[in-house]
Amino acid sequence: GENVEQHPSTLSVQEGDSAVIKCTYSDSASNYFPWYKQELGKGPQLIIDIRSNVGEKKDQRIAVTLNKTAKHFSLHITETQPEDSAVYFCAARGDSGYSTLTFGKGTMLLVSP
Amino acid sequence: ETGVTQSPTHLIKTRGQQVTLRCSSQSGHNTVSWYQQALGQGPQFIFQYYREEENGRGNFPPRFSGLQFPNYSSELNVNALELDDSALYLCASSLTSGAGELFFGEGSRLTVL
Repeated sequence: GENVEQHPSTLSVQEGDSAVIKCTYSDSASNYFPWYKQELGKGPQLIIDIRSNVGEKKDQRIAVTLNKTAKHFSLHITETQPEDSAVYFCAARGDSGYSTLTFGKGTMLLVSP
Repeated sequence: ETGVTQSPTHLIKTRGQQVTLRCSSQSGHNTVSWYQQALGQGPQFIFQYYREEENGRGNFPPRFSGLQFPNYSSELNVNALELDDSALYLCASSLTSGAGELFFGEGSRLTVL
């Protein structure tokens, strides 16, 4: 089955800096890669996603890149703010015909004022 | 448009007991998935229901079972609870099976003593 590796496990930055989180996946049939933000005591919230026919996608301060050949994808957050502090999960979905996501283990992002 | 809602938010059970968790999917969504999130880990897929039928299952024993109702709401049942079942149980809905974004509820925090 699919295996998703995510790193780093924790990331501390100063407000205004950029943050990058990287993930690799094992199943070359995977074609959908969402990123979720989870705040303490809450469920994961979808923040951005990318499909395998696209190499990059941006939404304001957030961008995701995908390298299908290398089977890795990354989340980039620019001009970080304290409210960006949370746990971020990458995930991958294959071509199974159902919606199963395989998640990475998460990255705790701490943005210091 | 209402989001995914789950109940109860917290509950405590003892080993050997049974538990039922409930989920109302987002309006217009016919597919519901359940995930288990242990502390410090990413969510793990339990199973998915599409139009009242289970159409995908992760690596969980048969004592994890579910239902989906005609209004697309869903239940997760766990029998013979074990200490390792302590986790956040997340329900996610999507527009249809195998495609589209997954939207998560806030989860039900189960503690097994």
